Amino acid sequence: GNSVTQMEGPVTLSEEAFLTINCTYTATGYPSLFWYVQYPGEGLQLLLKATKADDKGSNKGFEATYRKETTSFHLEKGSVQVSDSAVYFCALSDTGRRALTFGSGTRLQVQP
Amino acid sequence: DAGVIQSPRHEVTEMGQEVTLRCKPISGHDYLFWYRQTMMRGLELLIYFNNNVPIDDSGMPEDRFSAKMPNASFSTLKIQPSEPRDSAVYFCASSLGRQGTGGYTFGSGTRLTVV
Repeated sequence: GNSVTQMEGPVTLSEEAFLTINCTYTATGYPSLFWYVQYPGEGLQLLLKATKADDKGSNKGFEATYRKETTSFHLEKGSVQVSDSAVYFCALSDTGRRALTFGSGTRLQVQP
Repeated sequence: DAGVIQSPRHEVTEMGQEVTLRCKPISGHDYLFWYRQTMMRGLELLIYFNNNVPIDDSGMPEDRFSAKMPNASFSTLKIQPSEPRDSAVYFCASSLGRQGTGGYTFGSGTRLTVV
């Protein structure tokens, strides 16, 4: 079945540091890949997505590249801000009937 | 649009009681999803509907859980009887298409505590 594996958190960074959150997946076929973000007390929000191999999704300074050869979709940001503190979820959607499969989430804490 | 609206935001109930969680999806969205979030198990899909019809309920933990979608603008998730292990945050989400052209839109969740 489908699965998404994310690096465990929390990830603690200083403001303006470089961010990488690792995500790898297992799926049949050619899934679409997503990053969602959850701020405290809120539901998840779509951050970015990529629908085919080598696509790069980007939004708000975050980006991730769909790497089919390594089955990865790592999230990166060049300079994090305190306001980026949240939980980040990697997710995939296959070509079957299943809904999005989410990873376990990675908590990011950015200190001033 | 006001987004996906869930009610109540918080629910505290005693073991054995019936609990009903409510969701109003975004108008025009044809998919509705119920997820449960816990520290131990993360985000789990419980059930999803397409055009008000349940498509996949394999994530519903047991017969104590039931979900309905009587029309395009309303869905309920019912737990009867409730147990302490049902304590979690329950999210409703809706989308246009199964993958969501613009992603899934999540509600703010219902935090359920069963004591």
